[in-house]
Amino acid sequence: EAAVTQSPRNKVAVTGGKVTLSCNQTNNHNNMYWYRQDTGHGLRLIHYSYGAGSTEKGDIPDGYKASRPSQENFSLILELATPSQTSVYFCASGPDTNSDYTFGSGTRLLVI
Amino acid sequence: QQQVRQSPQSLTVWEGETAILNCSYEDSTFDYFPWYHQFPGESPALLIAIRPVSNKKEDGRFTIFFNKREKKFSLHIADSQPGDSATYFCAASRYNQGKLIFGQGTKLSIKP
Repeated sequence: EAAVTQSPRNKVAVTGGKVTLSCNQTNNHNNMYWYRQDTGHGLRLIHYSYGAGSTEKGDIPDGYKASRPSQENFSLILELATPSQTSVYFCASGPDTNSDYTFGSGTRLLVI
Repeated sequence: QQQVRQSPQSLTVWEGETAILNCSYEDSTFDYFPWYHQFPGESPALLIAIRPVSNKKEDGRFTIFFNKREKKFSLHIADSQPGDSATYFCAASRYNQGKLIFGQGTKLSIKP
């Protein structure tokens, strides 16, 4: 069954540390996305990708990097984590022709 | 700058009533408007979507009404059930770009 899998499900990180959130999809979708979800803000786009080797900045890219080494994998990297990056992060994949996303289960990140 | 605005933030209706959730957008080049729902502890999932070639889209108890001139669209949930209690997100994108801009969400509660 096609799916989007995120790891880890939960993460506690220290301020200033490096955090890598991973996402794997078996939908064979070209497009992948990273969002964060915070109360009152809904889902905000951090980075996205149109295919292997490509990454694009979303609406709130500051403090985040992204990597798309293959069609299946898309990572979100926090080089120097800060408490303001405490959030729930969702990865999604979607086809080129429309925006019908399949979301992963989310990663709950706490930066202390 | 919030490109997609959603109201109300929270809504409570009685079982059997029609719940109405509203969204507006600013960018006239948006041409795909989905609604996602999210149950507690789960990831968002596509519920229903519309393209502006039509001003109405129905799927069972769920109907999107679209007003291109006013840049507004709404989700009507007829005969609301307690199982409809969730957070609902509207979103918008440009066709073939895939990237979704989400509203802030409406937390819907259905009282039995």
